[in-house]
Amino acid sequence: EVQLVESGGGLVQPGGSLRLSCSGDGFTFSNYAMHWVRQTPGWGLEYVSGISSFGNSTYADSVKGRFIISRDNSKNTLNLQMTSLRPADTAIYYCVKCPHGDCYYFDYWGQGTLVTVSS
Amino acid sequence: SYVLAQPPSVSVAPGSTARITCGGTNLGGESVHWYQQKAGQAPLLVIYYDTDRPSGIPERFSGSNSGNTATLTISRVEAGDEADYFCQVWDSSNDHYVFGTGTKVTVL
Repeated sequence: EVQLVESGGGLVQPGGSLRLSCSGDGFTFSNYAMHWVRQTPGWGLEYVSGISSFGNSTYADSVKGRFIISRDNSKNTLNLQMTSLRPADTAIYYCVKCPHGDCYYFDYWGQGTLVTVSS
Repeated sequence: SYVLAQPPSVSVAPGSTARITCGGTNLGGESVHWYQQKAGQAPLLVIYYDTDRPSGIPERFSGSNSGNTATLTISRVEAGDEADYFCQVWDSSNDHYVFGTGTKVTVL
């Protein structure tokens, strides 16, 4: 059974930093592209960032230059380093898995970790 | 960037059919995927590539996509189907994943 477990969320002041992690189990982690999607009450679901099985990364314009995605296949872990955080970054952050092959949708989601940016 | 519009809410009686629409320019030329999100839970894939169902998703869930509108249909609605539903596409023009605004399905 595929399991994705996020950690690292919390309360941070504007301008601060936070590192999210996602542990994957039940599948060969290194074979799959992985992504982060966030959800806010007012704005719904928003794509954040993704990394291919080969390590190529993509970012939404709203986080480009502030967030860095990485993966450690030896530990089955996906990371998201977030810097220069803004109140608008407040959201539940989900780790999501792509199906095998081209990634046009997400077949599994973690339970999410809450990030709150506030003074 | 691509915009996907969904009605904010749909109400349906148990045993009847719920139809949730997702609108976008020439959406029929794209592949649309649907997620169900129950209160306090993570989204769950229920339809991919317009009409395909993942294993474990009941046959009551079906999808279609044509013209400017994709539709998720839930037949013989049950109380357990009450949730938010989101459509999603891959916007190849901008290399981004785009989500719909979400529809809350209420079972009366």
